[in-house]
Amino acid sequence: DAKTTQPTSMDCAEGRAANLPCNHSTISGNEYVYWYRQIHSQGPQYIIHGLKNNETNEMASLIITEDRKSSTLILPHATLRDTAVYYCIVRLHRDNYGQNFVFGPGTRLSVLP
Amino acid sequence: KAGVTQTPRYLIKTRGQQVTLSCSPISGHRSVSWYQQTPGQGLQFLFEYFSETQRNKGNFPGRFSGRQFSNSRSEMNVSTLELGDSALYLCASSPAWHRGTEAFFGQGTRLTVV
Repeated sequence: DAKTTQPTSMDCAEGRAANLPCNHSTISGNEYVYWYRQIHSQGPQYIIHGLKNNETNEMASLIITEDRKSSTLILPHATLRDTAVYYCIVRLHRDNYGQNFVFGPGTRLSVLP
Repeated sequence: KAGVTQTPRYLIKTRGQQVTLSCSPISGHRSVSWYQQTPGQGLQFLFEYFSETQRNKGNFPGRFSGRQFSNSRSEMNVSTLELGDSALYLCASSPAWHRGTEAFFGQGTRLTVV
């Protein structure tokens, strides 16, 4: 699976959009981009994933560049409860197995009042 | 719909003992994976089960083992515990093997080895 690079930490003002970048320059054509977050001492929470098109759900939007070498997770109106470590993971899907995710250190997002 | 349930939530064991952790996946999910999280190494993949068979394994010693039952519930076992095994152990379940399937994590079992 391709390696990802994320900033170590970011701050965001409450109510503003949080834009979390991720570089995955070695991504291959059939690797997906996943985002998870982990609030202190809890299990990781799935946010969103995509292959090449931009995706949006009730939690966030995922913008993937046309060359797929980077992506941005957007939390449109950050709240204090969005303070967490955010993980960007690039993952190849194998048809019969392969649910293992390779987690990097992630980005620690602090939403400030 | 209930989420992934891990039991117990907290556990204290002594070096040399063994421990068994349990994971009940989301109803209908057939895949279960286990992860270890420590401050030094972060989140690391242990192993993955589907249809009662181990499909994938991370780089952990043989003291770490697991199994999956016919109802998809899974257990992991750590024998001859070491201090370094103190960690948050997380279980994740997934519904199927379609491309782009996400995994859902439980709250974890925090194991302390003294």
